[in-house]
Amino acid sequence: QKEVEQNSGPLSVPEGAIASLNCTYSDRVSQSFFWYRQYSGKSPELIMSIYSNGDKEDGRFTAQLNKASQYVSLLIRDSQPSDSATYLCAVFILTGGGNKLTFGTGTQLKVEL
Amino acid sequence: DTGVSQDPRHKITKRGQNVTFRCDPISEHNRLYWYRQTLGQGPEFLTYFQNEAQLEKSRLLSDRFSAERPKGSFSTLEIQRTEQGDSAMYLCASSLVSNPTTGGWYFGPGTRLTVT
Repeated sequence: QKEVEQNSGPLSVPEGAIASLNCTYSDRVSQSFFWYRQYSGKSPELIMSIYSNGDKEDGRFTAQLNKASQYVSLLIRDSQPSDSATYLCAVFILTGGGNKLTFGTGTQLKVEL
Repeated sequence: DTGVSQDPRHKITKRGQNVTFRCDPISEHNRLYWYRQTLGQGPEFLTYFQNEAQLEKSRLLSDRFSAERPKGSFSTLEIQRTEQGDSAMYLCASSLVSNPTTGGWYFGPGTRLTVT
């Protein structure tokens, strides 16, 4: 089982709709969770972070975390064509030998006009 | 502009040649990370430094790979006897502290390596 799992997509949504991206993780000691956006050929850009169970909102983005279910999601409201990108879920575990971010494979989002 | 720079941005090399990449982190950041990303995959951890000490290496980092961070400033990643499977984007990130909950991780623009 991969440490961080995402559907590769593509996920297609019409402009103005809500895009829902999902991620599951396997390590129960995972402490922090991040969503990165990556445009083709570019490096990842941090858009959201969440550490506690529940929802965290930032503009059009809402991150949701459920540690009991080992599930984290990202909602993008009022999706725009400029949101078309790959969204990477990343998990941070603070242990003696694991001070690194572990990434999923990413979900490709396409926002259609 | 995140402040982390990488050089070169693109490198095309023939199989069997050696290549070296450079990463300059944000100046006050004491932690530096190398990741590799292949097409359709997420970034995979390679190694990280705290100051000049290399504290962890992934098993992905074969003996053909070596990384250094002299004086705790810039870092270099060298690949010897390149293979076609080394073709990837090599990403560098830096942070002031280890835990991204208290300090951000900033990625550089990456070096895209193509081995022909």
